[in-house]
Formats: sequence, C-alpha cells, structure tokens
Amino acid sequence: GQQLNQSPQSMFIQEGEDVSMNCTSSSIFNTWLWYKQDPGEGPVLLIALYKAGELTSNGRLTAQFGITRKDSFLNISASIPSDVGIYFCAGLYNNNDMRFGAGTRLTVKP
Amino acid sequence: DAGVTQSPTHLIKTRGQHVTLRCSPISGHKSVSWYQQVLGQGPQFIFQYYEKEERGRGNFPDRFSARQFPNYSSELNVNALLLGDSALYLCASSVSGTRVEQYFGPGTRLTVT
Repeated sequence: GQQLNQSPQSMFIQEGEDVSMNCTSSSIFNTWLWYKQDPGEGPVLLIALYKAGELTSNGRLTAQFGITRKDSFLNISASIPSDVGIYFCAGLYNNNDMRFGAGTRLTVKP
Repeated sequence: DAGVTQSPTHLIKTRGQHVTLRCSPISGHKSVSWYQQVLGQGPQFIFQYYEKEERGRGNFPDRFSARQFPNYSSELNVNALLLGDSALYLCASSVSGTRVEQYFGPGTRLTVT
C-alpha cells in the first residue's frame, strides 16, 4: 500500500541540537502516531495525536497533528546520543487502515 | 512482564518453500497484528486477529495466511516464497484490538535465497 511521505530521509546532527521531521499524505487520517525503532527491535510508540491541531509533548519530544489532517511533525529538543535510531510516522484512518512513513534515520554526534 | 515474543529470530529459506512464523502476545492481550518491514521502509500491515477471528487484512497475496490460537498466540504462514518476501516480520499485540495501543515484538528476519 502507499506509504506516507516522511522527510528528511536521514539527519546527522551534533549532540544538543534540535531536530525536526515531518510526514505528509494525500489522504486524511484520524490519528497520527510517531514511533522510534532501534536496531534489532520493533517500533516503540512515542506520541499519539488524536485531533487536528493537537500539540502533544513527551519529555523532549513534541508532535503536532496538522490542521488539514494530512500532515504531522515531530520535534526533538536538545538531542542526546540515545536519540539515535529510526523514527517513523504512522497515520490511522480507522482501525483497519494504518500507513507508515519510510522513516527518518537520526545520527547524533557527541 | 514479558513483552511480545517472536520465533525464530532469523530464518533463511529458498524460493518456493513455505515458512511459519510464530508470535506470543503480552499476557492479557487478545489481539495480534502482523506487519512486513522491507529494509529501508516502514512496516506494512498484513493481518489483524482479535479473539481468534480475522479483523483486518492488508494488501498481500493469498500466499500469506495467519491464524490465532485459543491462548491468543498466532502464526503467520507464507507459501511459495519469493525473493521479495525477504523482510523483517513484526508482530504486535494489544488488549482490545486498537492499533494505537499496540506493542511490537522484535521481529523475525526472513531471508529468501
């Protein structure tokens, strides 16, 4: 199935810098989700967004559900080495229609 | 508490063969979903089972089938393997079937040669 457009594909940043990534779609979704996947592990849910315009934080992570319901972004503030991994967005229209982005690979240089 | 467990961890098969992947959900979880994650891509939904009944199916050929047992564990079967079936197969479980509150296992890495 068609996946979401996630960008950037990869990021190389210095420890302490802020990070921003986003996800867009031609379809609307009722729920946006952001996951992190470490090597050899399955994705772990970071933030779930349920309403258009919603802004939600989880520690240093902040995500927003776009007003058009077709996009979402994730910000990470003051990055640390353990933020390294692949970040995925996912859109959920109903419980049976869930699409993932291709991921943003984050590298943090100490 | 144990998380979602999957077996085997790695598997190498030849084109045309059949494979069975297994998943044990978190205790108390009644729903299991299967995803295929090709290298460099996000997961793609294959099946969801809740209370032993199929609740959803993604856009995969009939070579892919699954079932859920009375103890809520699940098997994913793939027949007539193709090179393109090489991927990480993820299982996720949830209490009530909602995809938002699902927890993923570490996956089974399938290589088809």
